[in-house]
Amino acid sequence: SQTIHQWPATLVQPVGSPLSLECTVEGTSNPNLYWYRQAAGRGLQLLFYSVGIGQISSEVPQNLSASRPQDRQFILSSKKLLLSDSGFYLCAWSVIRGQGKSPLHFGNGTRLTVT
Amino acid sequence: RKEVEQDPGPFNVPEGATVAFNCTYSNSASQSFFWYRQDCRKEPKLLMSVYSSGNEDGRFTAQLNRASQYISLLIRDSKLSDSATYLCVVNRNTGGFKTIFGAGTRLFVKA
Repeated sequence: SQTIHQWPATLVQPVGSPLSLECTVEGTSNPNLYWYRQAAGRGLQLLFYSVGIGQISSEVPQNLSASRPQDRQFILSSKKLLLSDSGFYLCAWSVIRGQGKSPLHFGNGTRLTVT
Repeated sequence: RKEVEQDPGPFNVPEGATVAFNCTYSNSASQSFFWYRQDCRKEPKLLMSVYSSGNEDGRFTAQLNRASQYISLLIRDSKLSDSATYLCVVNRNTGGFKTIFGAGTRLFVKA
C-alpha cells in the first residue's frame, strides 16, 4: 500500500531564515506530487505540483520554491522566510488512472510558525 | 465566483440528526468528484468518491447531478465524531489535470 511521509511535524523559524520541508512517497511509481498551504481558518492553496523528476509547476508567485530530485521525493524550500509564510503545509500525491486522476492523499502536514 | 462553492456553515446539529451538505462546481469539464473530511489541525482525508449513480458508505450518501453541476453529501444518524470540516473536491482535465478544493463546510455535532 502507498504511504506518504512528511517532516517535520512542527517548525518554528525566525523571519529571514531558510526553510526545507521534505516529503517522500512509498508504494507507487511516478506519482504526481503537490505542496499545499493552509492558513489558519482558511482553505487549501496549491503552491506547487510535479508530474515527474525535475518537473515543477508553480501556481502562485512567492518566495518559496520546490524541487523533485527523485521520483518519490518532493522538497519545499525558501531562502528567506516571511511572517506571511506561517501556515500548515501539506504534501500530497496522486496517480493518473485511465482518463482521470486518483484522489489526492495527504501527508500529516507541517505546521510552520515564522516569528 | 469560485470554481467550487460550498456553504461555509457552521452547521450545528444534535446527535442522531441527518445533515446535508451541498456543493456546486462551475466547470462543466470536471471529471471526478470527492468528499474529504478535515479535522481541526489535521490533514484532509478522503471520505468518499462521488459517482454519477450515487453511492453510499454506511451512514454517508453522496450524489452527483452533472446537469446541474451539483454534488451532495448526506450524513444520517450523526455522531459526535462526525464533527469536522467537509471539503468538496473536483478533478478536471483542462490545461492539465487540476484538483479544485472547496473552502469546506464546518459541522458541529452536539450531545
